[in-house]
Amino acid sequence: KQEVTQIPAALSVPEGENLVLNCSFTDSAIYNLQWFRQDPGKGLTSLLLIQSSQREQTSGRLNASLDKSSGRSTLYIAASQPGDSATYLCAVLTGANSKLTFGKGITLSVRP
Amino acid sequence: GAGVSQSPSNKVTEKGKDVELRCDPISGHTALYWYRQSLGQGLEFLIYFQGNSAPDKSGLPSDRFSAERTGGSVSTLTIQRTQQEDSAVYLCASSAQPPSGRAGEQYFGPGTRLTVT
Repeated sequence: KQEVTQIPAALSVPEGENLVLNCSFTDSAIYNLQWFRQDPGKGLTSLLLIQSSQREQTSGRLNASLDKSSGRSTLYIAASQPGDSATYLCAVLTGANSKLTFGKGITLSVRP
Repeated sequence: GAGVSQSPSNKVTEKGKDVELRCDPISGHTALYWYRQSLGQGLEFLIYFQGNSAPDKSGLPSDRFSAERTGGSVSTLTIQRTQQEDSAVYLCASSAQPPSGRAGEQYFGPGTRLTVT
């Protein structure tokens, strides 16, 4: 059974800091990995998707990497801003039924 | 274009009542998913529809939960005889399947917050 872990559960950093959010998964036979952002009371916004054959994806100040063999992914946020404060969820797509298995998320607070 | 929409956005119901939650996927997306997000539990998969294939119901927590997808588009998640532990945010997602382009990317709706009193 696939399990996705995100540690720590919460993180507080000063504005401007570069930071790394970690995600690990137990079954390396994944189809892809997605990073999502969730603001309080809102749905999920897809940030980056890395297919199993890829090593990284970049969008603006965000860079996500994937090491499938070790079951790890990182989301790098450069020059963090207060507007980046949200919960960041990692999810992997496994199995023929294509369901996503989610981590419990990391709640990020960027202090002005 | 329009994203995934869900209705209602909030639903308060009494224990024992039935509720229906609606999802309108992105036009042309053949795959539709329901997930549940409970406080402290994270997001869990409920059910998956792919085209005209039989749905994968392996995530439904009990037989009080059912879902249907009419005409390959709109889906309704029904919870019968609601219990307090059913209180959660119910999220719907859709994706273009079989995978092409950004393979398997799922797009989420804003969710329905269900409160059972």
